[in-house]
Amino acid sequence: EAGVAQSPRYKIIEKRQSVAFWCNPISGHATLYWYQQILGQGPKLLIQFQNNGVVDDSQLPKDRFSAERLKGVDSTLKIQPAKLEDSAVYLCASSPWMNTEAFFGQGTRLTVV
Amino acid sequence: QQPVQSPQAVILREGEDAVINCSSSKALYSVHWYRQKHGEAPVFLMILLKGGEQKGHEKISASFNEKKQQSSLYLTASQLSYSGTYFCGTEGENQGGSEKLVFGKGTKLTVNP
Repeated sequence: EAGVAQSPRYKIIEKRQSVAFWCNPISGHATLYWYQQILGQGPKLLIQFQNNGVVDDSQLPKDRFSAERLKGVDSTLKIQPAKLEDSAVYLCASSPWMNTEAFFGQGTRLTVV
Repeated sequence: QQPVQSPQAVILREGEDAVINCSSSKALYSVHWYRQKHGEAPVFLMILLKGGEQKGHEKISASFNEKKQQSSLYLTASQLSYSGTYFCGTEGENQGGSEKLVFGKGTKLTVNP
């Protein structure tokens, strides 16, 4: 079974630039999560989709972050404009249903300079 | 609210036992445990549900004390492969539906030969 695919693996951008991350979840998984993990911290949920609807985006900085899940499958997370404090690993995960066993992708390490 | 994990770090010799605790200030519906090795994605270990049985297998198990809003992860006869950072994620009770998972800051476990 293929796992959760994310791209790119690494990205370095200057502050105020924009960046987009892509995630392809495990086939058939209804729930998709985007997490932000700052070095030395636990994953912080940014947004959770159930099929193509948003279940929770309470911790998504909506003035600069946006996310969508097209046709309930792939998802993109965008940051525009980026700030220095956005430097982190962005993890995408999927699960068969809400809050069941989640499978994580390898993540995208973002460095904002 | 973010659960509190203790200890923050623990160093063991191969074959020793360890206990990692996770506490919440709110009533919980479930506790999830993940392990993350350096530079890798978190990997699911187990979920404990309110009213459910203690989970696990021979050497890694966990308990959930609903009255105290606490969970403990037990690692018995540790192996080198157990090294990594262990995160608990807690889901609060919400009669309207599932709440988002909130992860603790993690417990770094190092197993030495």
